[in-house]
Amino acid sequence: GAVVSQHPSWVICKSGTSVKIECRSLDFQATTMFWYRQFPKQSLMLMATSNEGSKATYEQGVEKDKFLINHASLTLSTLTVTSAHPEDSSFYICSARDRLSSYNEQFFGPGTRLTVL
Amino acid sequence: QKEVEQDPGPLSVPEGAIVSLNCTYSNSAFQYFMWYRQYSRKGPELLMYTYSSGNKEDGRFTAQVDKSSKYISLFIRDSQPSDSATYLCAMRAGGGNKLTFGTGTQLKVEL
Repeated sequence: GAVVSQHPSWVICKSGTSVKIECRSLDFQATTMFWYRQFPKQSLMLMATSNEGSKATYEQGVEKDKFLINHASLTLSTLTVTSAHPEDSSFYICSARDRLSSYNEQFFGPGTRLTVL
Repeated sequence: QKEVEQDPGPLSVPEGAIVSLNCTYSNSAFQYFMWYRQYSRKGPELLMYTYSSGNKEDGRFTAQVDKSSKYISLFIRDSQPSDSATYLCAMRAGGGNKLTFGTGTQLKVEL
């Protein structure tokens, strides 16, 4: 149980284009999903918290107009990197919290590696 | 100073060794402590979840939390080559959503 998928797993795009990344909870409902970014040999940095049916909460320093988050259902959240630039190249990981879990732990997806040329 | 400090390693041990991984933290509001294992180019996998101080054992893994010292540990007994990965500690305050991660310790278990 508690499986989270991400699509795509790897994407290369040209500078200036937009990229959408999907995060799905496959066997549980997630009212809250989280988006992280991880640079090589560094830890996960929380970008934003996504709540089903409401606007995402962004961490300080994260541009909400650049990283668009939509959480339209209890099993799907999307992150769109708009007008991507090479400095946006990173490993993007989502996590989801099982709304029925008493422990509130987050289950992570396998990550999406974005390379912007 | 980072909220969570973790030695990045790399840590190299022979197969069968006992591995000790540690994190220190500065925020006394942290109450929930987790250890994740992350293989290269994969998402983190939850290994252990502990609330407040104390020990928790699950198979070859033991997690310890000492809130008075703001120090948490993960012990791996009878380490295997398949344990080779990066181990991330994470913690959050009570009632909060946000996880704060350590930088991760890279572990290599050699034959």
